[in-house]
Amino acid sequence: DTEVTQTPKHLVMGMTNKKSLKCEQHMGHRAMYWYKQKAKKPPELMFVYSYEKLSINESVPSRFSPECPNSSLLNLHLHALQPEDSALYLCASSLLLRDGGSYEQYFGPGTRLTVT
Amino acid sequence: AQKITQTQPGMFVQEKEAVTLDCTYDTSDQSYGLFWYKQPSSGEMIFLIYQGSYDEQNATEGRYSLNFQKARKSANLVISASQLGDSAMYFCAMREIYDDTGNQFYFGTGTSLTVIP
Repeated sequence: DTEVTQTPKHLVMGMTNKKSLKCEQHMGHRAMYWYKQKAKKPPELMFVYSYEKLSINESVPSRFSPECPNSSLLNLHLHALQPEDSALYLCASSLLLRDGGSYEQYFGPGTRLTVT
Repeated sequence: AQKITQTQPGMFVQEKEAVTLDCTYDTSDQSYGLFWYKQPSSGEMIFLIYQGSYDEQNATEGRYSLNFQKARKSANLVISASQLGDSAMYFCAMREIYDDTGNQFYFGTGTSLTVIP
């Protein structure tokens, strides 16, 4: 099973709203990632969690707040977003290199976020 | 410097023909992995194929093969017998095995492939 699930598939929110994106995987991967992707562009890394600890934060504005409550779940809390934050948000997971095994990263289907 | 370069923003191929999507990479590491992903208009990033830096054989997965030329630092994707469903964006990516965290994946800018019936 190489499945990463994400909910919701689509989200429309106002600039004053608070919402959360959820991601789940059951492959035993201990690295989990959030990416932001604009149309026709490559994914931009936002955050990486390793063993449920934040290991990479790519200078993301504080209106995006990640959370990794356990080894299978990853959340992205959204608050006071701007229209330019509208994008596809992709979650991914992979094995950590020190755990051995394969190196690829598996992606979820994404959440299409529109900020109005 | 760009870690991954894809120089073909858009490509067209006739159905049933083969097509090569170019990818060059930049690393001073000896150990790294190279990947290709397909992203249809639905948005999901689909893992296609992987090549390790120490693998002597070119990777193959069904109709996909990776033409790995280490000295030239290129990792081109070859799709044989193109199908209409192959129309999508294709991203080349790299993971350096011994970077600080081992978790950084670098993506190219992508190639948009259109298969013509």
